[in-house]
Amino acid sequence: DAGVIQSPRHEVTEMGQEVTLRCKPISGHDYLFWYRQTMMRGLELLIYFNNNVPIDDSGMPEDRFSAKMPNASFSTLKIQPSEPRDSAVYFCASSLHPPGQGAPEQYFGPGTRLTVT
Amino acid sequence: AQSVSQHNHHVILSEAASLELGCNYSYGGTVNLFWYVQYPGQHLQLLLKYFSGDPLVKGIKGFEAEFIKSKFSFNLRKPSVQWSDTAEYFCAVKEGAAGNKLTFGGGTRVLVKP
Repeated sequence: DAGVIQSPRHEVTEMGQEVTLRCKPISGHDYLFWYRQTMMRGLELLIYFNNNVPIDDSGMPEDRFSAKMPNASFSTLKIQPSEPRDSAVYFCASSLHPPGQGAPEQYFGPGTRLTVT
Repeated sequence: AQSVSQHNHHVILSEAASLELGCNYSYGGTVNLFWYVQYPGQHLQLLLKYFSGDPLVKGIKGFEAEFIKSKFSFNLRKPSVQWSDTAEYFCAVKEGAAGNKLTFGGGTRVLVKP
């Protein structure tokens, strides 16, 4: 398996522009997570999906952020409009959680480094 | 809300030295515990995890961690580090038996000098 795939790997954009980050989870995984990593705030969970349904979006910083998972093999995280403080590395992760089995491992993608100027 | 504390933000040590990284969490119920590692320029990878049973967990690359429920701790250890262990280490906690949400600690950057 190719693992979790994220695109683009690097994104540089100007303030006010729309940014779309993409993620392809590992095939067969039923959970998908979006994280943001910054020096100041560390690794933060933004939102996660189970079977394509958003379960917890309490980490989404504000309405400028939105995430979708139209099918089991694709998810997007959109920022509109982007601001310099959104500059961070955004990670997507996926996991498989069979019922009755705890502690499933989350598999992380390589991340998208976003710079908003 | 659940919180995870990693008290050491930066650790510098020489090769062959022993390593211990602290992790404490605040949740009083059932927990699943994880240590992830992020090598420079790479994504997070699982080192080890605790679900149930033996509180001493062995992971990859010679790492181990001990779950001490009374202390709400899950410290990571390695008896003899190598230069290749230079990385950032994250403790994470999943609270309860349901769901799949992890809360991560702030990370500890470890630099191993050759």
